[in-house]
Amino acid sequence: DAGVIQSPRHEVTEMGQEVTLRCKPISGHDYLFWYRQTMMRGLELLIYFNNNVPIDDSGMPEDRFSAKMPNASFSTLKIQPSEPRDSAVYFCASSPEDRGLGYTFGSGTRLTVV
Amino acid sequence: KQEVTQIPAALSVPEGENLVLNCSFTDSAIYNLQWFRQDPGKGLTSLLLIQSSQREQTSGRLNASLDKSSGRSTLYIAASQPGDSATYLCAVIHNQGGKLIFGQGTELSVKP
Repeated sequence: DAGVIQSPRHEVTEMGQEVTLRCKPISGHDYLFWYRQTMMRGLELLIYFNNNVPIDDSGMPEDRFSAKMPNASFSTLKIQPSEPRDSAVYFCASSPEDRGLGYTFGSGTRLTVV
Repeated sequence: KQEVTQIPAALSVPEGENLVLNCSFTDSAIYNLQWFRQDPGKGLTSLLLIQSSQREQTSGRLNASLDKSSGRSTLYIAASQPGDSATYLCAVIHNQGGKLIFGQGTELSVKP
């Protein structure tokens, strides 16, 4: 398996623009997670899905952020409009139904909003 | 609310030294605990996974222990090498739900 695949690897955008981050989980994994990493706050869970259904979005910072999982092999995290404080590395992770097998992370998307 | 703390925040050691990284968590009702490594500008690589029923796991020069009752885990690295330099992250999954809650990490530097 190719692991968790995220795109793009780097994104630079201007304030106010819409940004869409993409994630392909490992085939057969039932859980998908979106995390944000910053120097100040470390790794924060934004939202997670189980079998394509959002389970907990309490970490989504505000209404400008939205996430979807239209099928088992694809998820998006959208920021609209983007702001400089959204600059961070965004990670996607997936795990099988048996959480005892652990989580696998993608390589992340480094977002810079100027 | 589960909180995960890692001590120390940074550690610098000479090559060859054995070292211990510490992780503590406030809620002992965990499903498992996972140690990750993160190289600068890179993603997270899983090192060891300890189920709540286990006391320790070993992989090569790494050994992770878990004491659920006291809310502690340690990652022991034997005979450290410069290639071990990275940030080490501890994360726990609560019994209920699938959240993986991270500590802030320990930044390790191994000097040749």
